[in-house]
Amino acid sequence: AAGVIQSPRHLIKEKRETATLKCYPIPRHDTVYWYQQGPGQDPQFLISFYEKMQSDKGSIPDRFSAQQFSDYHSELNMSSLELGDSALYFCASSLGGFPSGGTNEQYFGPGTRLTVT
Amino acid sequence: GESVGLHLPTLSVQEGDNSIINCAYSNSASDYFIWYKQESGKGPQFIIDIRSNMDKRQGQRVTVLLNKTVKHLSLQIAATQPGDSAVYFCAALGETDTGRRALTFGSGTRLQVQP
Repeated sequence: AAGVIQSPRHLIKEKRETATLKCYPIPRHDTVYWYQQGPGQDPQFLISFYEKMQSDKGSIPDRFSAQQFSDYHSELNMSSLELGDSALYFCASSLGGFPSGGTNEQYFGPGTRLTVT
Repeated sequence: GESVGLHLPTLSVQEGDNSIINCAYSNSASDYFIWYKQESGKGPQFIIDIRSNMDKRQGQRVTVLLNKTVKHLSLQIAATQPGDSAVYFCAALGETDTGRRALTFGSGTRLQVQP
């Protein structure tokens, strides 16, 4: 079965650079979530999109932005990168939002490991 | 704001025993809770969820109990297997200070299953 695809899997950037992470949800899933997980830390919810509209917002820095496109894939744009942005960034998708009449079950991608030097 | 915490950072059980992982949350307005399992190097895997209008929900070998009075939930794993070894997170969904709904994860509990 198709899973959530994230690209790239690994990314190395320098401070003050920008990065773009991509997420391709499971086919027919209409909701995408972004999470940040620092080393040894629990995942922190960043932002989510339902039907291409921002649905919920968590602890996403102002330096970050995200959007969901017409094909439901999503991109997380990160600017003015800081050392503290080094983390695993997970994308998850579900059918329906938080929670809704859908299954609510979120399927996570393998993550993108971002290293800022 | 919401804070979600787990009582024990590491839980070691014998194979075949039942495991209980506990979690406390602070926001009484939280109305949806999820348990995740995360294996090393992988993304979190959804295990089971429960809405605040329920106090118990069962899945395959797993049961989630919700006590809204004391803002506590637990994950029970029956007949724990070596493949259950992972870090388990609880997460609570509720309104943030800005009025938006957000999912807050608790600190993970590492479950170690001894053969």
